[in-house]
Amino acid sequence: GAVVSQHPSRVICKSGTSVKIECRSLDFQATTMFWYRQFPKKSLMLMATSNEGSKATYEQGVEKDKFLINHASLTLSTLTVTSAHPEDSSFYICSAFAGWDNWLVGEAFFGQGTRLTVV
Amino acid sequence: DQQVKQNSPSLSVQEGRISILNCDYTNSMFDYFLWYKKYPAEGPTFLISISSIKDKNEDGRFTVFLNKSAKHLSLHIVPSQPGDSAVYFCAAIQGGSEKLVFGKGTKLTVNP
Repeated sequence: GAVVSQHPSRVICKSGTSVKIECRSLDFQATTMFWYRQFPKKSLMLMATSNEGSKATYEQGVEKDKFLINHASLTLSTLTVTSAHPEDSSFYICSAFAGWDNWLVGEAFFGQGTRLTVV
Repeated sequence: DQQVKQNSPSLSVQEGRISILNCDYTNSMFDYFLWYKKYPAEGPTFLISISSIKDKNEDGRFTVFLNKSAKHLSLHIVPSQPGDSAVYFCAAIQGGSEKLVFGKGTKLTVNP
């Protein structure tokens, strides 16, 4: 089945540095990828929608200059957390969309998640 | 405005019993509803879905019921097993859209 791979699974960085998270669709082309953030004991919060070859669409309240999204190809989207601060520490998850019918079998369309810790 | 609501943040059941997880929604335009299971520090994994034109879908120990008039769906797990302990997210999607709308999740604990 379709697989979405997210890397790294865990990263610790110093405050003020930037961190890049990759999301790859391994056996299908994803015109659209989504980036979520999960706060402790909270739901998944959609941060932005990443469309191949165009600018990402950010949800209200998400700083586009802080969370840079690049969807350079149909199989890769990256999220870069710039000038990271401790409050950016969170669990980030990507999701790839392969076509409407595939939502009926939703398994494997989420990445494994990345635990970011900013110290 | 929260379009998908899971009003119970947690649920605890005994192994072998039935677990019932509830979800309410406000947008009558949703066409499909999905349940995801999530362990800590992992991405969500798909469990089961249901189309808005159906009222029940069953897959092994998991059954999802949809009551459109009440805008309510529920996930039944029978029998519950300790390995089912996780956070369960209800999600909905509108036909033609690509965005899943998630509830806040319910943490299920199945006690041996």
